[in-house]
Amino acid sequence: RKEVEQDPGPFNVPEGATVAFNCTYSNSASQSFFWYRQDCRKEPKLLMSVYSSGNEDGRFTAQLNRASQYISLLIRDSKLSDSATYLCVVRGDSNYQLIWGAGTKLIIKP
Amino acid sequence: DAGVTQSPTHLIKTRGQQVTLRCSPKSGHDTVSWYQQALGQGPQFIFQYYEEEERQRGNFPDRFSGHQFPNYSSELNVNALWLGDSALYLCASSLGETPNYEQYFGPGTRLTVT
Repeated sequence: RKEVEQDPGPFNVPEGATVAFNCTYSNSASQSFFWYRQDCRKEPKLLMSVYSSGNEDGRFTAQLNRASQYISLLIRDSKLSDSATYLCVVRGDSNYQLIWGAGTKLIIKP
Repeated sequence: DAGVTQSPTHLIKTRGQQVTLRCSPKSGHDTVSWYQQALGQGPQFIFQYYEEEERQRGNFPDRFSGHQFPNYSSELNVNALWLGDSALYLCASSLGETPNYEQYFGPGTRLTVT
């Protein structure tokens, strides 16, 4: 089993729709959680950190369920510019290492 | 505010050769992590440098080595290149023990081994 698993994708979604990404992690001692966005052939960029209480940034909402070892990202009113690969990232119990999912590719269609 | 910079942007090497990749962290950051990203995969952690020492290492062979300089810049060296080393090599910088441990990435070096 991979340490961080994501929906394989790709997700093809019409503009304006709501899309949800799911991620599970295997290490219950994991400390920090993030969603990164990566455009084609570019570097990953931090989208948002994920807090236990859940957090929202504009159209983006992240949730963490420690009991189920599950992280989610919700994008509302999707834009063409949201097309990218979304990577779920977990900070392991070793304190410094970030463990990355393989990413889910999102394609927003007009 | 200068972000993370990496050089070179692209590199083509032959099997068995050695390569050195360079990274300058974001201004004010003191920690550098290196990742290897194969096509269609998430980044894989190679190692992290802090205070000029390798603080943690991922599951990579000794052919992968690195260094951090007093100005916090860093190098990644790969010896005896294999075809499988072809990938995007990403450098990320962060600030010591910031609570959320956010990392900022450079544009990467795309290495092709033929």
